[in-house]
Amino acid sequence: AQKVTQAQTEISVVEKEDVTLDCVYETRDTTYYLFWYKQPPSGELVFLIRRNSFDEQNEISGRYSWNFQKSTSSFNFTITASQVVDSAVYFCALSEAGETQGGSEKLVFGKGTKLTVNP
Amino acid sequence: DTGVSQNPRHKITKRGQNVTFRCDPISEHNRLYWYRQTLGQGPEFLTYFQNEAQLEKSRLLSDRFSAERPKGSFSTLEIQRTEQGDSAMYLCASSLASGVKDTQYFGPGTRLTVL
Repeated sequence: AQKVTQAQTEISVVEKEDVTLDCVYETRDTTYYLFWYKQPPSGELVFLIRRNSFDEQNEISGRYSWNFQKSTSSFNFTITASQVVDSAVYFCALSEAGETQGGSEKLVFGKGTKLTVNP
Repeated sequence: DTGVSQNPRHKITKRGQNVTFRCDPISEHNRLYWYRQTLGQGPEFLTYFQNEAQLEKSRLLSDRFSAERPKGSFSTLEIQRTEQGDSAMYLCASSLASGVKDTQYFGPGTRLTVL
């Protein structure tokens, strides 16, 4: 069975601080995909990044960066110089290979980490 | 491109009533998904369609739940004889089928409150 654990329920930081959101996953599949979504108070999940299990390169997009480590089954997300607009609930999600490869399209989500950035 | 839209955004109903939600996916997307999210939890998968075919259903989807996508465009999710435990946010997502793994784009959700 697939499982995603986001151990940090809530994090509070002051603007301009760096913050790392942890994500640990469990799967028996050799091919899988990892995602991060942001859910602001409006409720809509906003896609941030997708990673496949064969690509362990870290990625940076502006103030956002992601650290994927298969050895520890982790896919952590760092926000550099946080801003008040970063306040949201962040979800990590896992999916097996897609239907065309005999898998499922469903996403398995963690419980989320609520990030509050104070001015 | 407009994103995924869902109607209504909020629904309050009494226990035992039937409710129906609508989801309009991103126009060129041929896959459509329904998830349920309760307070403090991540979304849980309910079902998904490719065009008009319902390809996968979760065990969470009891007999009181039914989803349709009759023309492969918009979808409806109906809950019959609602129970207080059905109170949740119902999220719809859509994607464009690719040869590898789709990225799902979510709508704003319909918040259901069962009194």
